[in-house]
Amino acid sequence: DTGVSQDPRHKITKRGQNVTFRCDPISEHNRLYWYRQTLGQGPEFLTYFQNEAQLEKSRLLSDRFSAERPKGSFSTLEIQRTEQGDSAMYLCASSLAGGSGRSGEQFFGPGTRLTVL
Amino acid sequence: KNQVEQSPQSLIILEGKNCTLQCNYTVSPFSNLRWYKQDTGRGPVSLTIMTFSENTKSNGRYTATLDADTKQSSLHITASQLSDSASYICVVSPDTGRRALTFGSGTRLQVQP
Repeated sequence: DTGVSQDPRHKITKRGQNVTFRCDPISEHNRLYWYRQTLGQGPEFLTYFQNEAQLEKSRLLSDRFSAERPKGSFSTLEIQRTEQGDSAMYLCASSLAGGSGRSGEQFFGPGTRLTVL
Repeated sequence: KNQVEQSPQSLIILEGKNCTLQCNYTVSPFSNLRWYKQDTGRGPVSLTIMTFSENTKSNGRYTATLDADTKQSSLHITASQLSDSASYICVVSPDTGRRALTFGSGTRLQVQP
């Protein structure tokens, strides 16, 4: 399977614990995005990388959230001291940056569903 | 604030019937508009993508239209099938160099036999 993969698919944790999610993008894609989606809503942008550089972070990304893409391939999203409000689906997407400057099509992974008890 | 508004929020139709979903946006400047299909518990999958100069784009039984003057788009589904049951999300890409997309809340479509 050459699509975007995410691990784990589901995570249940207790409030106050730290969690880490992983995203493996399509191999030749140099851009990687993280989104958060709550029930009945569309995804909300969190952050994106071009290669290993984190180029933009949303105001939704509090200081408890950190994302990395150390080698420009897979990425991790860590949430420290989880809160019940962090319960959501965390989606990863990847795309290929075009020379025209227009956003390339983003391909989404299946998501990681986080439940904070 | 850039926004994407979709209507209706939810829709129930009988198998074989047609339906049209609406999207209004205020994102400006605007690069392209996409419609995604999202099955429950899965990531969104792209159906169509249109630039501001395109008026219509088809993908099988799905036809998207775009009026960049009124900032409105629609997604028409013909001869619906049970597998069309999903959320349909309108997504707008701003032309500001920012790479992130602005998503609508989606229309939840249920096709009944």
